Amino acid sequence: EPEVTQTPSHQVTQMGQEVILRCVPISNHLYFYWYRQILGQKVEFLVSFYNNEISEKSEIFDDQFSVERPDGSNFTLKIRSTKLEDSAMYFCASKGQGLNTGELFFGEGSRLTVL
Amino acid sequence: AQSVTQPDIHITVSEGASLELRCNYSYGATPYLFWYVQSPGQGLQLLLKYFSGDTLVQGIKGFEAEFKRSQSSFNLRKPSVHWSDAAEYFCAVFPQAGTALIFGKGTTLSVSS
Repeated sequence: EPEVTQTPSHQVTQMGQEVILRCVPISNHLYFYWYRQILGQKVEFLVSFYNNEISEKSEIFDDQFSVERPDGSNFTLKIRSTKLEDSAMYFCASKGQGLNTGELFFGEGSRLTVL
Repeated sequence: AQSVTQPDIHITVSEGASLELRCNYSYGATPYLFWYVQSPGQGLQLLLKYFSGDTLVQGIKGFEAEFKRSQSSFNLRKPSVHWSDAAEYFCAVFPQAGTALIFGKGTTLSVSS
């Protein structure tokens, strides 16, 4: 069964460093998402991406964050100058075309720890 | 304001007892509705979804949910809980014509023996 894969599964970084989280969405999907879950809290929407541009972003997704689809398979989230409060699980998701029902397929997540 | 609410932060149920987790939404038009489960340190697993039609939907692991338009609710149920059901449960909505799936704050389920 096709699945969304994310790398790395866990990354530890020093405050102020740049981090890139990678995602390989399901191959024929066209909508891509990043979500964040701070430990013990709810899953928060960060950004959605379609047709090589951001279609929606939350207030969390400020200038510190950027997304890119550098090639036909990867979808990346870059966090510049990480802060302690960026420590969280980051989930990538993708969605196919067709009826826009919001059925997203999630990856297993990338845990980011900022020290 | 548009929102999805899970009123119960933490619920404890005895093994073998029935379970109901509540979810309410506040949107102009009925959104598409989902329940996800997350075991500690794990990812999000889709339990079930409601798009239209029969208001009682069946999911995996013996879960079901009932959509009630009059109450703007989509409550999750299971007739007999197993210890392995202990996890975090998230209700989520996708507004019609929306672009993002919005999650509730989650309900932690503990199962006692």
